[in-house]
Amino acid sequence: GENVEQHPSTLSVQEGDSAVIKCTYSDSASNYFPWYKQELGKRPQLIIDIRSNVGEKKDQRIAVTLNKTAKHFSLHITETQPEDSAVYFCAASPAGRRALTFGSGTRLQVQP
Amino acid sequence: DADVTQTPRNRITKTGKRIMLECSQTKGHDRMYWYRQDPGLGLQLIYYSFDVKDINKGEISDGYSVSRQAQAKFSLSLESAIPNQTALYFCATSDVVGYEQYFGPGTRLTVT
Repeated sequence: GENVEQHPSTLSVQEGDSAVIKCTYSDSASNYFPWYKQELGKRPQLIIDIRSNVGEKKDQRIAVTLNKTAKHFSLHITETQPEDSAVYFCAASPAGRRALTFGSGTRLQVQP
Repeated sequence: DADVTQTPRNRITKTGKRIMLECSQTKGHDRMYWYRQDPGLGLQLIYYSFDVKDINKGEISDGYSVSRQAQAKFSLSLESAIPNQTALYFCATSDVVGYEQYFGPGTRLTVT
C-alpha cells in the first residue's frame, strides 16, 4: 500500500519568515495530494490540495509543489503569522481507492 | 449547516468492555471513513465505506468492526476494549468523487 513520510516533525519560525514542510510517497499511482491543518483540540481541515496533472498551486500565502518523478510534494507558507501555528498533515490518495494515507504530521510554531 | 457529528465526544471505559462510537452526516456524501489519531502520529485509517453495501478494512482494522446503517450513519465498535486503543477517533466523509474529506469533531476514548 501507500506510505507517506513527512519532515520535519517540528518546525519553529519567526513571524514573517517562510515555512516549508516536505512529504514523500511510495505509490506511483497516487494522484491526489491534500494538506490539512489541525489546530489544538480541533478537527483537521483542508487548506490546499494538488492533483497530479499540475506541478504547483497557490492560494494567498500558501503554495504546494509536486514532483511526480521524485514522488515528493511540499507545502510552503510565506509571511507566517502566529495563527499559522498548528499541526500540518500531508496525505496521498492512490488512484481508484480514494482513501487517504496521511503523513505523521509537522508541528509548526510561529514565534511572535 | 451540513456537518459531520460524532457521539460521544469523550468516553472513559474499562478493559474488556464493548463500546460503540457513532458518526452521522448531513452532507449527503456516499463515502465515510474512520481514523485513529495517537499523540505525535498522523491519522491512521481503520475502516472506510464507499456506499451502504461497501465496507473496507484500512491499515489498522484489527480489534475494530464497523456498521454502515444508512448513507448518513457509520458506527465504529471496539468489541473488547484494550488500553492501547486509547486515542482520538475521527470520522470523515467525502463525496463520490472522493477528493476533499470533511472531518467530524472527534471522540476522545480512554480505556483504563
